[in-house]
Amino acid sequence: AQSVAQPEDQVNVAEGNPLTVKCTYSVSGNPYLFWYVQYPNRGLQFLLKYITGDNLVKGSYGFEAEFNKSQTSFHLKKPSALVSDSALYFCAQGKDDKIIFGKGTRLHILP
Amino acid sequence: DTGVSQDPRHKITKRGQNVTFRCDPISEHNRLYWYRQTLGQGPEFLTYFQNEAQLEKSRLLSDRFSAERPKGSFSTLEIQRTEQGDSAMYLCASSQDGRRNTEAFFGQGTRLTVV
Repeated sequence: AQSVAQPEDQVNVAEGNPLTVKCTYSVSGNPYLFWYVQYPNRGLQFLLKYITGDNLVKGSYGFEAEFNKSQTSFHLKKPSALVSDSALYFCAQGKDDKIIFGKGTRLHILP
Repeated sequence: DTGVSQDPRHKITKRGQNVTFRCDPISEHNRLYWYRQTLGQGPEFLTYFQNEAQLEKSRLLSDRFSAERPKGSFSTLEIQRTEQGDSAMYLCASSQDGRRNTEAFFGQGTRLTVV
């Protein structure tokens, strides 16, 4: 069974608007959760991670993610989207000794 | 910090040929991972090393696939008798340790096309 689920294949947001990319995780002890971004012809880049502590995690490029234990969610957010944020975003979960990835959500920021 | 590097970036091969990919991790990282990514999918775990020891292999990794990390530094992934279904992006990543809360850093990948 997949560790993380990304229910949206694609998300479209107008530039300047807030964005949310959704992720839910499987419950297995303490969840260790990550977000990565993949730009065209580039490798996966680490954005942020949740280990424990504050439910709001801040990461690179102005992104943040909110950990919600009751909803088993770890949604990625940004207050004001940029066209350059257009990319493929992956939610991931640390499981055993490896990182398991979701299927990804393609984010389109419309100018 | 030169990051994780992979070579070659692209490989086109005929079905039935053998191919080998190389990954150089970040120098102080002792954990190295191989993933495979196909179009529209997230990276799928293949195998990982702790130093030179290969600790886990996914069921996705058929016996035509073999990976090595002989000196605990760079790693190679070999695919024998390639099939069209092997066409994918092969990603290498490294991390400083193997704890579940440790992020991994990825190379740009090797794109394999089997014709």
